Amino acid sequence: QVQLVQSGAEVKKPASSVKVSCKASGGTVNNFGISWVRQAPGQGLEWMGGIIPLLGTANYAQRFQGRVTMTTDESTNTAYMELSSLRSEDTAIYYCALDLSAENIYFDYWGQGTLVTVSS
Amino acid sequence: DIQMTQSPSTLSASVGDRVTITCRASQSISRWLAWYQQKPGKAPNLLIYKASSLVSGVPSRFSGSGSGTEFTLTISSLQPDDYGTYYCQQYNGYPRTFGQGTKVEI
Repeated sequence: QVQLVQSGAEVKKPASSVKVSCKASGGTVNNFGISWVRQAPGQGLEWMGGIIPLLGTANYAQRFQGRVTMTTDESTNTAYMELSSLRSEDTAIYYCALDLSAENIYFDYWGQGTLVTVSS
Repeated sequence: DIQMTQSPSTLSASVGDRVTITCRASQSISRWLAWYQQKPGKAPNLLIYKASSLVSGVPSRFSGSGSGTEFTLTISSLQPDDYGTYYCQQYNGYPRTFGQGTKVEI
């Protein structure tokens, strides 16, 4: 049973960056696919992108291209998502989601979510 | 991008009712569809993958069907714990996309 524990809530200024972590236990993060999904207040789910560490590939949704970077650190079994040039519309809960098949298809396990608030 | 459209947006039903949620894709996605349940303040929980494969541990009252562009999630006998918002998600192409959600009230 894989568990994903994310870092705590963040408050950021517009134009700054945020880096959210997602620590895995019960499995090696590099053996799976890791995606990041966000949910704005009262809204639905939005896939931001995903990485497949075994293949060294990342696939980002077009609207986040150039602003998002997803990585993993095998030594700490942690995945990271960094989003830059923050604006108020980026206020959302950010979830990491793990795909056991390592293809970033559907998501078997989810972190608890990290609230990122962007406000001046 | 492949657009996913769910109906209805909100559904109010009673315990024991048979409930059906529809998800339509803007183009054929074969059977590459998953369903999730999300309860307030919690992360989504995977229920079904490949349109009709039930995740281990998910009650058998949940079932999925469909292929191509039209899919359904059925709860055969609604239980009090089945409240929440249900989302479909396609994984036929990138970016992965979700439906807008169907809120189930009991």
